[in-house]
Amino acid sequence: GQQLNQSPQSMFIQEGEDVSMNCTSSSIFNTWLWYKQEPGEGPVLLIALYKAGELTSNGRLTAQFGITRKDSFLNISASIPSDVGIYFCAGRSVTGANNLFFGTGTRLTVIP
Amino acid sequence: EAGVTQFPSHSVIEKGQTVTLRCDPISGHDNLYWYRRVMGKEIKFLLHFVKESKQDESGMPNNRFLAERTGGTYSTLKVQPAELEDSGVYFCASSAITRPRETQYFGPGTRLLVL
Repeated sequence: GQQLNQSPQSMFIQEGEDVSMNCTSSSIFNTWLWYKQEPGEGPVLLIALYKAGELTSNGRLTAQFGITRKDSFLNISASIPSDVGIYFCAGRSVTGANNLFFGTGTRLTVIP
Repeated sequence: EAGVTQFPSHSVIEKGQTVTLRCDPISGHDNLYWYRRVMGKEIKFLLHFVKESKQDESGMPNNRFLAERTGGTYSTLKVQPAELEDSGVYFCASSAITRPRETQYFGPGTRLLVL
């Protein structure tokens, strides 16, 4: 099946710092998504990307769909304590199936 | 509008027992998905319903897993008999449309522990 490599696995940062995480796939995707999961909850969609090269922002979050269609990154600027959680990248293959392939997640800890 | 709900939130069972998980999608959503996250690994697709029909069940691990969606509303996922490796978090997601701009809304998950 599809393999998504997400890095880093975990991050400990000071409040106010910027954060960057990325995802690479072994094959081409036509959609890249970034989700956040908080304890006891399911993943919540943060940003959706549908075109190669697309750069999209949602408040302090910015994500890009890589030109090769095999990678994506997520940046969080000026982190705050409520940014704590697990961030997952996810992609949808060009094969036609609707299911999502997920990365292993980046666990973010923000130190006040 | 109510989101995707799942029941139970947690389940602890012994190896060999049966467990049934339930998912209620967002009202009006025809697409319903089951995913699973085993400890520390990625969230993996199990299957996809469109209304009451199984559109794609390529992710189901083996025949101990049975998913149903009678009437095209809520869905159940039964594991019988449960094995240790079935432990993990089972997520349900639903969506109103499919490609190209489908948004899948996830439930809070059922945390299953098989002892």
